[in-house]
Parts: sequence; C-alpha cells; structure tokens
Amino acid sequence: SAVISQKPSRDICQRGTSLTIQCQVDSQVTMMFWYRQQPGQSLTLIATANQGSEATYESGFVIDKFPISRPNLTFSTLTVSNMSPEDSSIYLCSVERREFNEQFFGPGTRLTVL
Amino acid sequence: KQEVTQIPAALSVPEGENLVLNCSFTDSAIYNLQWFRQDPGKGLTSLLLIQSSQREQTSGRLNASLDKSSGRSTLYIAASQPGDSATYLCAVRRVETSGSRLTFGEGTQLTVNP
Repeated sequence: SAVISQKPSRDICQRGTSLTIQCQVDSQVTMMFWYRQQPGQSLTLIATANQGSEATYESGFVIDKFPISRPNLTFSTLTVSNMSPEDSSIYLCSVERREFNEQFFGPGTRLTVL
Repeated sequence: KQEVTQIPAALSVPEGENLVLNCSFTDSAIYNLQWFRQDPGKGLTSLLLIQSSQREQTSGRLNASLDKSSGRSTLYIAASQPGDSATYLCAVRRVETSGSRLTFGEGTQLTVNP
C-alpha cells in the first residue's frame, strides 16, 4: 500500500478566502487524484493531477476554482479558491498503484466555510 | 454511464453476527472492484480489491465476491465486532485510455452493537 499524508487535517475558513491542501506520498506514483466528499454523500472526482502538465478536470469543476499543482511524483496541492459555505466538504487525495490498478486514499482534509 | 448502488444504506446488528453488504453496478465492463472502509470524518481504507477475472478475495474476517456478468459484488463480514462500525464503500474501476477512473456507491453505514 501507499502511505499518504495531507495537510491540514481540518480547517475553518471565512467566505471569500482560499485554502491550499497539500498531499504527500511516500513513493513515486504516476496517478494522483483529488476527490470531494460533501456531507452525507459519496466521493466525487474533482481532477487528475498530472506531473509536468495541467490537471485534467471532471465535468463541473474548473481550474479557476480548484487550481492544482503537481511539481513531482510524490507531491500535489489543491487550492479551493474564493470559498463559499457550499465548499464545506472533506477533500481527499488519492493515488493509484499501477501494478494492480488499486487506489489508496489520504486521511482527508475537513473544510468548513463560514 | 456507470452507476453503483449499495444496499442497504444503513445496517445495525448485534456483535458476533455475520453480515452481507451488497453492491450492484450497471455496466459490467469493469476492470476491477474495490471495497473501502471509512470512519466518520476520515479518509478511506482499502479493504479488498477484486480483479475482473476473479470471483472472490478474502482478508481475515472479510470476504468479497464478484459476479461481473450480473453486475454484483458482496462483502461478507464474519463474526462482526463493534470496531467494524463504519461506512463501507464499493467502487468500480473502468479503464480509460488516459488512466483509470473509480465510480463510487453511496455506501452502507454499519453499526455493530456490543
């Protein structure tokens, strides 16, 4: 398995501000993903973070709102910009191990926007 | 479009009982299926991965089966314990040309009462 850490683990933010979430993996991985889990719901894929190129966003998610960086094969950041209460969610970083196409998740960042 | 359904949405059982969680998916052209556990406010822990060519996987008290042709998977938990209380998520993977993608069910919230 992969060991994934996220910072911060939780935060409470004011409307209109931005928060950057960091994801660190203990080994090099090709595929990194960012998910959102709104209260009481299942996971929704935001984007795939590609090393050396722009992230690939899912329908309904845009780069201006969720800019992503992937400077190397072990690290990625997701920024939630110009936040509103509707952005209150758990944000999860995930990686895929190619050998078995198995996916692993970080501990999540619980975001509350007031 | 792949849809994943989990039944029941919630389940409460006494300690020691054997139980079955169900997952169904609409598109049988899957690469593999993964079962996860999520504790409240936390990330996802991978429990079992079943490749499309496999019928079942076992890990300790957990056994997952896969019937790809009928679009079903079950997670069997033997001799349940209060520590098994969590939300269990089923996710199917379809391999895209640019990387794989998971589709999640809504989860089954399990409570094991001492």
